[in-house]
Amino acid sequence: AQRVTQPEKLLSVFKGAPVELKCNYSYSGSPELFWYVQYSRQRLQLLLRHISRESIKGFTADLNKGETSFHLKKPFAQEEDSAMYYCAPLSGTYKYIFGTGTRLKVLA
Amino acid sequence: ETGVTQSPTHLIKTRGQQVTLRCSSQSGHNTVSWYQQALGQGPQFIFQYYREEENGRGNFPPRFSGLQFPNYSSELNVNALELDDSALYLCASSPTSSEQYFGPGTRLTVT
Repeated sequence: AQRVTQPEKLLSVFKGAPVELKCNYSYSGSPELFWYVQYSRQRLQLLLRHISRESIKGFTADLNKGETSFHLKKPFAQEEDSAMYYCAPLSGTYKYIFGTGTRLKVLA
Repeated sequence: ETGVTQSPTHLIKTRGQQVTLRCSSQSGHNTVSWYQQALGQGPQFIFQYYREEENGRGNFPPRFSGLQFPNYSSELNVNALELDDSALYLCASSPTSSEQYFGPGTRLTVT
């Protein structure tokens, strides 16, 4: 079965510290992977996708097919990064499989 | 904020009743997906519509049904409501099947 695991429900880091939000997936084939973010009182929005290989708001994510992981990283956390983060492979051509999410709290 | 809108914002229904949730997609977005997000969980895919035809379905019973209209609006209908249907319902529209733009959601409470 296709499954996404985000092992940390809550991750607290101090401002300026590095951040790594973990995502492991179980999937047959080659999925397209995304990270979505939900800031307080805002709707779910796309943060980045692996095929674009871009850095958004200082975040990057590398797809490791051997480990089936797609961890989200940022070298220096900012307070405005505090939010709920969801890892989401795209299954087939039409549906996301969302993980349970990790709440990131960046402490001053 | 413009883009995908949903109505109503909140809704309270009684077990056994029926409910219709509405979504207005961005113009030009031919694909709309619906997700259910229970408390503390990630969104779960219900189904997707492309040009008014169902284009895929998740593990939800037939009492969850949908419609998509030519004017980029869509509906999610749930019959015979159960307590476990209490959740945030999200719609997401996309010009392709890849990046999806989410609405703010409708919070449904079943008592």
